[in-house]
Amino acid sequence: EAGVAQSPRYKIIEKRQSVAFWCNPISGHATLYWYQQILGQGPKLLIQFQNNGVVDDSQLPKDRFSAERLKGVDSTLKIQPAKLEDSAVYLCASSRDRAIYGYTFGSGTRLTVV
Amino acid sequence: GESVGLHLPTLSVQEGDNSIINCAYSNSASDYFIWYKQESGKGPQFIIDIRSNMDKRQGQRVTVLLNKTVKHLSLQIAATQPGDSAVYFCAETGNTGKLIFGQGTTLQVKP
Repeated sequence: EAGVAQSPRYKIIEKRQSVAFWCNPISGHATLYWYQQILGQGPKLLIQFQNNGVVDDSQLPKDRFSAERLKGVDSTLKIQPAKLEDSAVYLCASSRDRAIYGYTFGSGTRLTVV
Repeated sequence: GESVGLHLPTLSVQEGDNSIINCAYSNSASDYFIWYKQESGKGPQFIIDIRSNMDKRQGQRVTVLLNKTVKHLSLQIAATQPGDSAVYFCAETGNTGKLIFGQGTTLQVKP
């Protein structure tokens, strides 16, 4: 079974620029998550999708972050405009359903905002 | 608010020794706990899980212990190997159903 694919692996942008990350979950996984992991900390959930609907986006800074999952498969996470404190690894994870077990993470996108 | 914490940021052990990584959680309503291993440049990888109706669960070279009385979770790794070097996170499902991660413990294995 192929894993969760994310791109790009690395991205460096200047503050106030925009950036987008892409995630392709494991085939058949209905639930998709985006996490933010700041250096030295555990991942923090930003948004959870069930198919193409949002289940939880309570931790997403909606003034600058947006995410979508069209057709219930791939997902994109966008930041506009970026701030220095957005420097982090953005992890995508997927699971077959809303159960926590069977959760698989991608390798993440490391964002550096300068 | 909800939080899951680890007692030590770094643990250094000799190859072949046993490792114990600890975690304290604050939400008594949590009913499912997971240990993840994260190597540099990779996403967290599932190691072992335990439900709140159990106090011990064993896997291959790993054991998780749960003490609900003091809200404490530990991960024991037997015969630690260089490949075990990584950051280890405990995570819980709180009453919201979301997965909440702790800060992480870096395990360093000395040859």
